[in-house]
Amino acid sequence: DAGVIQSPRHEVTEMGQEVTLRCKPISGHNSLFWYRQTMMRGLELLIYFNNNVPIDDSGMPEDRFSAKMPNASFSTLKIQPSEPRDSAVYFCASTPGQSYEQYFGPGTRLTVT
Amino acid sequence: AQKVTQAQTEISVVEKEDVTLDCVYETRDTTYYLFWYKQPPSGELVFLIRRNSFDEQNEISGRYSWNFQKSTSSFNFTITASQVVDSAVYFCALRRAQAGTALIFGKGTTLSVSS
Repeated sequence: DAGVIQSPRHEVTEMGQEVTLRCKPISGHNSLFWYRQTMMRGLELLIYFNNNVPIDDSGMPEDRFSAKMPNASFSTLKIQPSEPRDSAVYFCASTPGQSYEQYFGPGTRLTVT
Repeated sequence: AQKVTQAQTEISVVEKEDVTLDCVYETRDTTYYLFWYKQPPSGELVFLIRRNSFDEQNEISGRYSWNFQKSTSSFNFTITASQVVDSAVYFCALRRAQAGTALIFGKGTTLSVSS
């Protein structure tokens, strides 16, 4: 089975541009999570979905960030406008249920100049 | 509040040494899950183990072993006879038992194994 798929793997953009990160969870998994990893803050949750519904978005830094999950096999994380402090690795993870571990995608390394 | 503390920021050992990575957690829940993940230099997060709060048995998997002690809120990870390929950042994480809740990660311990 394919694991969690994220695209792009690397993104370099200029400040002010819109950035869209994509995630395809493992088929059959009903929970999807977006995490961000930085040197300063480590791994932190941004938002998660259960059955395509956003449950907790308290980790989303500000209104510039938005996430959607239009169906069970696709999610996006959008940053508009992007800022240099958004530079980080963004991970998507999915899990089939509460008793299971989360499976992480390879991450998207975002650099905003 | 939920919290995970990995007090060891960096550890350096020589191949074949045993090394223990410490993890201390805080939670008021009676049911919860603990995890260890490995992040090698390539950057992906690799799941190593999940432990239910009701299961305090220690676990061994090859050169890896885990010691879970509820009395001290610790979930320590030992690598026996370390190898260069063990060099990575290791994260301990906590999750509440409710369906679909997120992982709360520690800051990670960077393990460097030299030959």
